[in-house]
Amino acid sequence: KAGVTQTPRYLIKTRGQQVTLSCSPISGHRSVSWYQQTPGQGLQFLFEYFSETQRNKGNFPGRFSGRQFSNSRSEMNVSTLELGDSALYLCASNNNQETQYFGPGTRLLVL
Amino acid sequence: AQSVTQLDSHVSVSEGTPVLLRCNYSSSYSPSLFWYVQHPNKGLQLLLKYTSAATLVKGINGFEAEFKKSETSFHLTKPSAHMSDAAEYFCVVSANFGNEKLTFGTGTRLTIIP
Repeated sequence: KAGVTQTPRYLIKTRGQQVTLSCSPISGHRSVSWYQQTPGQGLQFLFEYFSETQRNKGNFPGRFSGRQFSNSRSEMNVSTLELGDSALYLCASNNNQETQYFGPGTRLLVL
Repeated sequence: AQSVTQLDSHVSVSEGTPVLLRCNYSSSYSPSLFWYVQHPNKGLQLLLKYTSAATLVKGINGFEAEFKKSETSFHLTKPSAHMSDAAEYFCVVSANFGNEKLTFGTGTRLTIIP
């Protein structure tokens, strides 16, 4: 089976812009979670989608949003980018059993 | 509420010597515990997981961890370090077999000395 894929792998944006990141889960996995990784805050949970519905949400501002499509692919959107949004964004898929499998991440740099 | 504390931010060992990465957890529920590894500029790879079946858990690449409820610990060990083990290691807790959000420790950077 193919693993979790994320596109794009690298992205450079400027403050105030918005960005959309994409995640394709492992085939058959219906749950997709998003995490932000920064040197200062470590790995933090953003949100989780299951069957097109947001099931869990972390403590991030409303500028961070997501959605999931009927084929379980998920997108994450960040509006009005700030310098502090520079991070590695990781997506993980789960077949509602036990283990979350992570993609390689999208590295976002905000200038 | 749940949390994990990785007791060492950086561990250095010589190649061929044992590795010990320490993790303590706190959870209101019977937890699921995981160790993930992250190599530079890579995503996270699952090393092993504990979900109440057996307290000694064996993972990939020779790693294992022991769940000790009395000590609320889940330390990661390997008998003999290899150069390819150099990476960042994360101890992770979940309240619901990994279905719900994962709570990550701050990570331990493992350096292998040739």
